[in-house]
Amino acid sequence: DGGITQSPKYLFRKEGQNVTLSCEQNLNHDAMYWYRQDPGQGLRLIYYSQIVNDFQKGDIAEGYSVSREKKESFPLTVTSAQKNPTAFYLCASSISGSPHEQYFGPGTRLTVT
Amino acid sequence: AQSVAQPEDQVNVAEGNPLTVKCTYSVSGNPYLFWYVQYPNRGLQFLLKYITGDNLVKGSYGFEAEFNKSQTSFHLKKPSALVSDSALYFCAVRDGANAGKSTFGDGTTLTVKP
Repeated sequence: DGGITQSPKYLFRKEGQNVTLSCEQNLNHDAMYWYRQDPGQGLRLIYYSQIVNDFQKGDIAEGYSVSREKKESFPLTVTSAQKNPTAFYLCASSISGSPHEQYFGPGTRLTVT
Repeated sequence: AQSVAQPEDQVNVAEGNPLTVKCTYSVSGNPYLFWYVQYPNRGLQFLLKYITGDNLVKGSYGFEAEFNKSQTSFHLKKPSALVSDSALYFCAVRDGANAGKSTFGDGTTLTVKP
């Protein structure tokens, strides 16, 4: 089966700890994305990568970091600098270029207390 | 800057009736427009897209959308709603000149009652 996997589905952390969310795809897509979803606010872009070893900040990159060492993997680290990290995080991938739709993973719900 | 507005937080329709979920957009270049659906605690699923050509686009599960350039709108429609269509719907826009970024609306919750 081709698709995007995110793990874990639910994640709990104490305030002040960094946490890394996993995203893997076997669709052979060049582009990958991380979004944050909060109730009533739609999806907001955190980081995106259009090619291996390159990535760009999205609209809300502060307090987050990413790496893109392999085509199929795009992990997101939520650092202690992120002031309000509790949210639903969605990873997506697409064929590189404007007209192409995105394929989304099932999401990770992060709760920080 | 690009933006998307979904003016209705919630749309309620009776099963068998037609449904419309509204979307308006703003981009500086040519718009690429997308509709996605999200079921509870799941990722988004692609429904349909407008790139160029025919203003009426047909997609998955019997949905269609009409691109209207003069009104900068891309409303999602279905002739006969099903209870199983109940979900959260997102409109997204991508500027043809900005390959990387899509902007999503805040979403519209569609509820179809039996």
